[in-house]
Amino acid sequence: QVQLVQSGAEVKKPGASVKVSCKASGDPFTTYFIHWIRQAPGQGLEYMGVVYPSAGTTGYAQNFQVRLTVTMDTSTSTFYMELRSLRSEDTAVYFCATEFPQSGRFDYWGQGTLVTVSS
Amino acid sequence: QSALTQPASVSGSPGQSITISCTGTSSDVGSHNLVSWFQQYPGKAPKVIIYEVSKWPSGVSNRFSGSKSGNTASLTISGLQAEDEADYYCCSYAGGSTWVFGGGTSLTVL
Repeated sequence: QVQLVQSGAEVKKPGASVKVSCKASGDPFTTYFIHWIRQAPGQGLEYMGVVYPSAGTTGYAQNFQVRLTVTMDTSTSTFYMELRSLRSEDTAVYFCATEFPQSGRFDYWGQGTLVTVSS
Repeated sequence: QSALTQPASVSGSPGQSITISCTGTSSDVGSHNLVSWFQQYPGKAPKVIIYEVSKWPSGVSNRFSGSKSGNTASLTISGLQAEDEADYYCCSYAGGSTWVFGGGTSLTVL
């Protein structure tokens, strides 16, 4: 069992950056991969990137390779997603989720963090 | 990567079966047996209902079943119930540490 608790809603201006946190508790976080997925209002799910805690490596979807950084703080079991050069189209709910390695079994999800980009 | 293709909406009556298709390419659905399906209610996080094409996570009803043929995966829901009314998303591993989602299908139980 894992619980993921994300940071609160953010309002940002175009061109700014946002950093969303996702704190894990329960099973050792090195058991899972941690993914970031977003959902714009009324739209579908969009894959962003992943961190592999046991290896300390990351992966990014092509659309986010330039603007996205995913990191982790092993001392606090907290994962971070930082998106830079925000534009209005980045307004979305951002989710973190665990995956049992190499299975596509995205078992546990954070509650979501709404990021609003508006001038 | 381009999003996987799903029908925007499907509907069925209680007790009936429906199938949602998910079409990708030889680089994602066609290359990997890592296709998942998610159920999402409004305002809630998605819930995985199928993984590795046809496996059930613990606690998920076997009324949900998954399959794949070539570049197309499918989700079948049998014995439709009112509580199945939700949005459904497919998702496939696409290589290079990345995944791709379908555009989502809204299921209406008539």
